[in-house]
Amino acid sequence: DIQLTQSPSFLSASVGDRVTITCRASQGISSYLGWYQQKPGKAPKLLIYAASTLQSGVPSRFSGSGSGTEFTLTISSLQPEDFATYYCQQLNSYPLTFGQGTRLEIK
Amino acid sequence: EVLLVESGGGLVKPGGSLRLSCAASGFTFSDYSMNWVRQAPGKGLEWVSAVSGSSNYIFYTDSVKGRFTISRDNARNSLYLQMNSLRAEDTAVYYCAKEGARGWPDAFDIWGQGTMVTVSS
Repeated sequence: DIQLTQSPSFLSASVGDRVTITCRASQGISSYLGWYQQKPGKAPKLLIYAASTLQSGVPSRFSGSGSGTEFTLTISSLQPEDFATYYCQQLNSYPLTFGQGTRLEIK
Repeated sequence: EVLLVESGGGLVKPGGSLRLSCAASGFTFSDYSMNWVRQAPGKGLEWVSAVSGSSNYIFYTDSVKGRFTISRDNARNSLYLQMNSLRAEDTAVYYCAKEGARGWPDAFDIWGQGTMVTVSS
């Protein structure tokens, strides 16, 4: 199975900050990676697919990059509504797997 | 509006069974692969199972193989998860999720609100 490791697991930042979350895969997954945002008590929401393509309706301050085994999600200027937990997911092979999550909190 | 609505969760004793349902609307259900994802209380997301649009391909995570069965009824726009021999570690919110159509598998672009399954004596 392909393991995904996100770093950091916890991130404290302020409104307006630029933040980057990393997701590393245990083996190469080309660009078969998605990023999701989840707020407490809510279902996850797709932000990025194919490693770098912004899902329709998602603000342009979100961006993704990477291929192979290392990927990043960047939020260029944090907004109050961005404080949430973020997950990466590999779609290269079954079983599909998620990273353990990165909790982004207000400093 | 594209919508997924899960139902069927509840409290069940260890060893018991439960059947989850997911009603889909707002899109051509048979054109898309569908998945179940679960989240134990306070934990991360765990993919559980997937079924292709025509049910030709079905996949499970190892921990549910032989106990859970995914199925779909395209005429009823519905997805199901039959869960047998339930264990305490199956306690979670269960989400159904629709894949995109840009490849296979594809990222999950629509999620239901989730249904809670609690396995406890």
